[in-house]
Amino acid sequence: EDQVTQSPEALRLQEGESSSLNCSYTVSGLRGLFWYRQDPGKGPEFLFTLYSAGEEKEKERLKATLTKKESFLHITAPKPEDSATYLCAVQAIGGATNKLIFGTGTLLAVQP
Amino acid sequence: GAVVSQHPSRVICKSGTSVKIECRSLDFQATTMFWYRQFPKQSLMLMATSNEGSKATYEQGVEKDKFLINHASLTLSTLTVTSAHPEDSSFYICSVRDWGSGELFFGEGSRLTVL
Repeated sequence: EDQVTQSPEALRLQEGESSSLNCSYTVSGLRGLFWYRQDPGKGPEFLFTLYSAGEEKEKERLKATLTKKESFLHITAPKPEDSATYLCAVQAIGGATNKLIFGTGTLLAVQP
Repeated sequence: GAVVSQHPSRVICKSGTSVKIECRSLDFQATTMFWYRQFPKQSLMLMATSNEGSKATYEQGVEKDKFLINHASLTLSTLTVTSAHPEDSSFYICSVRDWGSGELFFGEGSRLTVL
């Protein structure tokens, strides 16, 4: 069964304290792995798509990496405005082309 | 700017009533839209795929008679929660895929509270 597990569930950082969020996945074949940011009471906001092991993408203070079993979202020198829930999702080869399987997210709080 | 617009953002209703949520694709025509549901501290779960001009495709365990989906135009899909009960209280989010980039854009979500 295709599955996505995110850790930690919650993370509290001081402003400027870099860290990483983990997304472990089990799929029969990976079509793509997605990272989203979700603010309270809002829909997810797209961040990155990764397609193959070894791929990396960056956007401002965020950097996403991918291996055959997991993805990391690295946050460098975070600011309070980076506080949000970060969601990871996978799309499996052979599954419904439109279906994303989401993890439960990591709630990040960055304190000034 | 927003690619997907959802309305209403919040709705409170009495048990037994029906509630309609609208999802509009603002930037491009969408033959397919997706409806997700999110319970507190749980992951987004795909409920159904809305297909313009044809019947929606429901995920296993989702009651099609309870969650009516209509996709009458290339920019509008509606989800109607019929005879709502407190256990239907949730955050409902629609999404649209940009087939060119592959990105999946989400609406702002609709918080349904059934009393």
